Amino acid sequence: GQGVEQPAKLMSVEGTFARVNCTYSTSGFNGLSWYQQREGQAPVFLSYVVLDGLKDSGHFSTFLSRSNGYSYLLLTELQIKDSASYLCAVLNNNAGAKLTFGGGTRLTVRP
Amino acid sequence: EAAVTQSPRNKVAVTGGKVTLSCNQTNNHNNMYWYRQDTGHGLRLIHYSYGAGSTEKGDIPDGYKASRPSQENFSLILELATPSQTSVYFCASGDVRGGNERLFFGHGTKLSVL
Repeated sequence: GQGVEQPAKLMSVEGTFARVNCTYSTSGFNGLSWYQQREGQAPVFLSYVVLDGLKDSGHFSTFLSRSNGYSYLLLTELQIKDSASYLCAVLNNNAGAKLTFGGGTRLTVRP
Repeated sequence: EAAVTQSPRNKVAVTGGKVTLSCNQTNNHNNMYWYRQDTGHGLRLIHYSYGAGSTEKGDIPDGYKASRPSQENFSLILELATPSQTSVYFCASGDVRGGNERLFFGHGTKLSVL
């Protein structure tokens, strides 16, 4: 089977950082994506990772450890407008084009 | 920028009625998806498609049918709507097996079944 888990909520402070965690179990991992979703809007693609390690993309960075079934999205220099839900999604190599999403983490950035 | 358009934006249906949600994409993507999103469950995959004429069951297909008559269009059909199908439905397109793992989502359809 396949499962993708995320903490439901996260709170942080403007100007600091936030790390959004994602753990997964799958029989055929083929990559992991991160999406941002604002209240009442559609998810928007942020990043895709398939190799272990940290992928630095400026304001958003992503880390992957395939052996541990673990990824995180790191947001630095937080702004109030970063308050949103962040979704991770796993692509299963054994299931064609099927993407399985986690429940999402609602990040609140306070002043 | 890739475009995915859903219709209707909002829908109120009665229990036992038939509901059709439509999705159109102008990206020439092979793959299209239907997800529903409920509080506490995130996005759950209902049906997806690899191309015209293809439909595949996702993780929660019961009570739903899908139709992909063309590359551009993908419909979700609720033959006998139930209140438990009240949700926000998102359509998406992408070519995740082509090395480009980015999905483009429509704005969503809010469905209420009374």
